[in-house]
Amino acid sequence: GNSVTQMEGPVTLSEEAFLTINCTYTATGYPSLFWYVQYPGEGLQLLLKATKADDKGSNKGFEATYRKETTSFHLEKGSVQVSDSAVYFCALVNKFYFGSGTKLNVKP
Amino acid sequence: EAQVTQNPRYLITVTGKKLTVTCSQNMNHEYMSWYRQDPGLGLRQIYYSMNVEVTDKGDVPEGYKVSRKEKRNFPLILESPSPNQTSLYFCASSIRGGGVSTDTQYFGPGTRLTVL
Repeated sequence: GNSVTQMEGPVTLSEEAFLTINCTYTATGYPSLFWYVQYPGEGLQLLLKATKADDKGSNKGFEATYRKETTSFHLEKGSVQVSDSAVYFCALVNKFYFGSGTKLNVKP
Repeated sequence: EAQVTQNPRYLITVTGKKLTVTCSQNMNHEYMSWYRQDPGLGLRQIYYSMNVEVTDKGDVPEGYKVSRKEKRNFPLILESPSPNQTSLYFCASSIRGGGVSTDTQYFGPGTRLTVL
């Protein structure tokens, strides 16, 4: 079946640190992969997506590369800010499967 | 402004008292969906609708009903709520769903439900 596994949080970093949030998936076919972000008190918003193998999605300094050989879509950012504190969800879409979410806390 | 709206945003009720959470989108999207978000479990899909009068069960449909009489509205109905339905609920929509794998989902702001 289809599933998404992402690293458990919370992840606590200092401002300007490098961020990686791991996401791996199992799926039939060739799904699109998404990262959504949920800021406190809000709904989920699309952060970035990739629709085929080796595609790189990027937005707001975040990047993720669709790696079919390792079935991964890890989220990275070179220098996090306090404003990046949120919960991040990895998702695969052929029928919208979400990971359990990783909470990121960035301290000034 | 393109958006998905949900009402109410917060609701405290008692076991067995029927309630409805409304969801409306103004983007003419065909696909709409309901999720519940629980700590450690992420988002789990309750029901989804591919178009008007077409609804189907998601992963956790027990205790919920939905209807899709109009394209813009997708209410979630709890006929007899129980404490295990205490959760944060999100409605979402996308242009299309199912096999169209590139569509982005747009989420409502969430409804926090407490069943005593």
